[in-house]
Amino acid sequence: QVQLQQWGAGLLKPSETLSLTCAVYGGSLSGYFWSWIRQSPGKGLEWVGDISPSGRTDYNPSFKSRATISTDASENQLSLKLTSVTAADTAIYYCASTTGWRDFWGQGTLVTVSS
Amino acid sequence: DIQMTQSPSSLSASVGDRVTISCRASQTINTYLSWYQQKPGKAPKVLIYAVSRLQSGVPSRFSGSGSETEFTLTISSLQPEDGATYFCHQNFNGRTFGPGTKVE
Repeated sequence: QVQLQQWGAGLLKPSETLSLTCAVYGGSLSGYFWSWIRQSPGKGLEWVGDISPSGRTDYNPSFKSRATISTDASENQLSLKLTSVTAADTAIYYCASTTGWRDFWGQGTLVTVSS
Repeated sequence: DIQMTQSPSSLSASVGDRVTISCRASQTINTYLSWYQQKPGKAPKVLIYAVSRLQSGVPSRFSGSGSETEFTLTISSLQPEDGATYFCHQNFNGRTFGPGTKVE
């Protein structure tokens, strides 16, 4: 069974860069779409972006080039960087592979942006 | 961008009730429509994908229907463990989630 374990800094100051990593266990990173999805406290789900099996990335236009998703096949890991964070970026961030029947999610990482 | 709306935003029902949640897309999304269930403190999990395909392990009281821009999630006989928030989701063009329906 595929399991996703994610980690990263949980407290950032405004203008800093959010950096999260997601390790894939029990399966390969290769050949699947991977996503970062976030959820602000008490709010709904917001798609950050995807990376395809070929490495092509697709982002939510709302992030205006601040987001970068990448993979490291040798480590079987997925990462997210989000630059110039503000309080509005405070959220639980999930890594996920969720397309059709394939539905795997990380445990979520709460990232708080506060001065 | 494709926008997703849901109604109602919340509902309260009794055990055994039939519950229907609606989802509307701002443009046609073919069959790229899924439904997720999320319980407090947990990641979402898919219930229905491709409009009407039941995810393995999901009780058959959940069903999905619809086409083009109008979609529905139905719980045929509500159970206590169905208390959760339900989101529709499109991945026809990028990804967008509906705002959610809280079922109590």
